[in-house]
Amino acid sequence: DVKVTQSSRYLVKRTGEKVFLECVQDMDHENMFWYRQDPGLGLRLIYFSYDVKMKEKGDIPEGYSVSREKKERFSLILESASTNQTSMYLCATAWAFNQPQHFGDGTRLSIL
Amino acid sequence: AQRVTQPEKLLSVFKGAPVELKCNYSYSGSPELFWYVQYSRQRLQLLLRHISRESIKGFTADLNKGETSFHLKKPFAQEEDSAMYYCALSGEQGGSEKLVFGKGTKLTVNP
Repeated sequence: DVKVTQSSRYLVKRTGEKVFLECVQDMDHENMFWYRQDPGLGLRLIYFSYDVKMKEKGDIPEGYSVSREKKERFSLILESASTNQTSMYLCATAWAFNQPQHFGDGTRLSIL
Repeated sequence: AQRVTQPEKLLSVFKGAPVELKCNYSYSGSPELFWYVQYSRQRLQLLLRHISRESIKGFTADLNKGETSFHLKKPFAQEEDSAMYYCALSGEQGGSEKLVFGKGTKLTVNP
């Protein structure tokens, strides 16, 4: 069974801080994704990566960056956190884009 | 551009009643369609995909290319079906594959 682990379930940070969200998978999947989930807006793709050191912008990349130094780890970085980045963040992995995605438990991030 | 529309944000039914969660899509090619479910305090997980043509937890979904729909159905809803449901479409756009989610429908099954 695929295991996708996000480093924190809950996180509280202050405006202007640099925030790191970590995601680790154990299934050797090429593709990894970061979404944010907001009520009424569904899941919106922030960034994805299809290989080590490769990254692509999703639909809402502004204010975020990512890092994929190892195949199993995909990090989301908020360079200077703002209150409108308060949200639930979901990491997912997939063998291919047309294959099912496997999600982590999510990180509920609050920016004060 | 790919688009997935779930017209109902909220859907409430009584236990034992039939339930249908609507999903319409916009895509010019041959889509791969999925339903994902998120139960309270659990992670988002795949419920079913159209290519499998299987029934999971009593749910089925048929791809209707003429109506560009992939509605999720269950003949007799159970309280444990209460959850958030997302329809998703995978297809090629601009030379790369993309997965697009609908905004979700929150299903409540009342006793």
